[in-house]
Amino acid sequence: EVQLVESGGGLVQVGGSLRLSCVASGFTFSSSAMSWVRQAPGKGLEWVSSISGSGGATFYADSLKGRFTISRDNSKNTLYLQMNTLRVEDTALYYCARTSGDLVRGLIKFDFWGQGALVTVSS
Amino acid sequence: DIQMTQSPSSVSASVGDRVTITCRASQGISNSLAWYQRKPGKAPKLLIYAASTLQSGVPSRFIGSGSGTDFTLTISSLQPGDFATYYCQQANSFPPTFGQGTRVEVK
Repeated sequence: EVQLVESGGGLVQVGGSLRLSCVASGFTFSSSAMSWVRQAPGKGLEWVSSISGSGGATFYADSLKGRFTISRDNSKNTLYLQMNTLRVEDTALYYCARTSGDLVRGLIKFDFWGQGALVTVSS
Repeated sequence: DIQMTQSPSSVSASVGDRVTITCRASQGISNSLAWYQRKPGKAPKLLIYAASTLQSGVPSRFIGSGSGTDFTLTISSLQPGDFATYYCQQANSFPPTFGQGTRVEVK
């Protein structure tokens, strides 16, 4: 059974940093692209970032470039999202999602999701 | 970025009803569209990809159709576990973008 379990969420002040983790099980992690998708309160889903199975290719939403960094440790079956210089508008539930399709061309879908980690940025 | 517009934003329905949700892309995306179901406190679930292909394990009452810019998700006979919010997502180009969601609630 595919499982994705996020952790690392919490309350942080504007300008602070936080690192989210997502531990995967039930599939060959190193062969799977992975993504982070977020949902702000009262808003829809927003793609944040994706990474290839090897970690050699990464993609980011334009609005987040330079502040967020996606990475993975295939020896630990773990996906990370390092979030720096956090803003109030980064407050959201952050989902980890297994990603399938052609990552380079952007032809991707999210076929398994975790339950999310809540990040609250306070002013 | 490709904008995805869903309608309606919410629909009230009863068990057994046929429910149809529409998703429109701001430009043509061929059949590169996925549908997801999200329930409060639960992980979102992929229902349909490539506009009409049912994800493994998803009941056949979920039917996807469309191509180009206009797509629909139909629940042929609403079941108690189907009350949830549904999202479309274009998978045609970066960045992947989602519709704003359609909440299916109890009438």
